[in-house]
Amino acid sequence: EPEVTQTPSHQVTQMGQEVILRCVPISNHLYFYWYRQILGQKVEFLVSFYNNEISEKSEIFDDQFSVERPDGSNFTLKIRSTKLEDSAMYFCASRRPGQGARQPQHFGDGTRLSIL
Amino acid sequence: AQKVTQAQTEISVVEKEDVTLDCVYETRDTTYYLFWYKQPPSGELVFLIRRNSFDEQNEISGRYSWNFQKSTSSFNFTITASQVVDSAVYFCALSVLAGGTSYGKLTFGQGTILTVHP
Repeated sequence: EPEVTQTPSHQVTQMGQEVILRCVPISNHLYFYWYRQILGQKVEFLVSFYNNEISEKSEIFDDQFSVERPDGSNFTLKIRSTKLEDSAMYFCASRRPGQGARQPQHFGDGTRLSIL
Repeated sequence: AQKVTQAQTEISVVEKEDVTLDCVYETRDTTYYLFWYKQPPSGELVFLIRRNSFDEQNEISGRYSWNFQKSTSSFNFTITASQVVDSAVYFCALSVLAGGTSYGKLTFGQGTILTVHP
């Protein structure tokens, strides 16, 4: 069964450094998402991406964050200048087109980001 | 705005017991979708089930069953004859179709940690 793939599984970065998290969504999916989960807390929506542009973003997704689909297969999340509070598990998700929000989102295994 | 509440933070049961995980949601939208996801200790999020707001038929899949009640805004999940492998965090989530403009973001509850002891 096709899967959403995320790399790396664990990223350790110094505070203030830029980090790029990578995702390869399922190939026939057209909607892409990033979520984050701070340790022990709930999963929070960051951003959705459709038709090569951001379709919706949360208040968490400030100017330090950006997303890109550079080559038609990868979907990346960049944090420009990381802060300690960015430490979390970041999940990429994708879903099929059609039927509005009915289609379930399929999640990758996540990237654990640790900011030192 | 949407909200999902999972009041049970942690549940501990002994193998073969039945267990019900509660989920209460809030939304003003008339068309919405409810989901349950499982997060095992390895950390990934696994989709379990989806329900439409206009379909209150309950569903059973093996040892899992779901009870959707619009009147109480609840979407509860029952595991029958629990097993150690059911130990995980279970998340209830909601997405809405807001006039066709929603891109389907999920609003998650806080999650319920289920521990099944042998």
